[in-house]
Amino acid sequence: EIVLTQSPGTLSLSPGERATLSCRASQSVSSSYLAWYQQRPGQAPRLLIYGASSRATDIPDRFSGSGSGTDFTLTISRLEPEDFAVYYCQHYGSSAWTFGQGTKVEI
Amino acid sequence: EVQLVESGGGLVQPGGSLRLSCAASGFTFSGFWMSWVRQAPGKGLEWVASIKQDGSDNYYVDSVKGRFTISRDNAKNSLYLQMNSLRAEDTAVYYCARVRRWLQFYYFDYWGQGTLVTVSS
Repeated sequence: EIVLTQSPGTLSLSPGERATLSCRASQSVSSSYLAWYQQRPGQAPRLLIYGASSRATDIPDRFSGSGSGTDFTLTISRLEPEDFAVYYCQHYGSSAWTFGQGTKVEI
Repeated sequence: EVQLVESGGGLVQPGGSLRLSCAASGFTFSGFWMSWVRQAPGKGLEWVASIKQDGSDNYYVDSVKGRFTISRDNAKNSLYLQMNSLRAEDTAVYYCARVRRWLQFYYFDYWGQGTLVTVSS
């Protein structure tokens, strides 16, 4: 089973700044099989990125995903007030889904 | 518009049972894998179970195998999670999620708002 480790645990930034979130897999991930989700307080998760770099429907282009193998990155180019939230990466393999522990982006 | 609405959560004693439901609308329910994902209070996301389009195949996280059963009724556009032998550690918000496929990668593209299950005496 692949374990996903996200870092940092908390990222303290200001609106307008760039956020760089990391997700590291314990083994190489096939064909960039990785997704990213955003969860605002009191809300359900929302899909941001799938296939490591493809934006989901209606996701602003300030969100971008990159990486391959074991190292993946979610970048938010310029933080908007609504982007302060918790972000999770997710992998699928061997008929099971796994999530990272999350990165909180706080003001 | 895709909508997933969970119901059935509540307070239950350890060892008890509960059945969650998820009503789906806005898409062809029978065309998609569906899943349950949970989130304990103040914790991260944990996948619980998934079921194939026709219900012929399903998968579970190890911690719920033998206790939880995922099922669906495509005629009613509904997903279910039967939870037996509940434990305190099953306390969480349970989300219904639609599964989308890209190549051989499966991810969750739509989520419900969740229903809270509390296991306590």
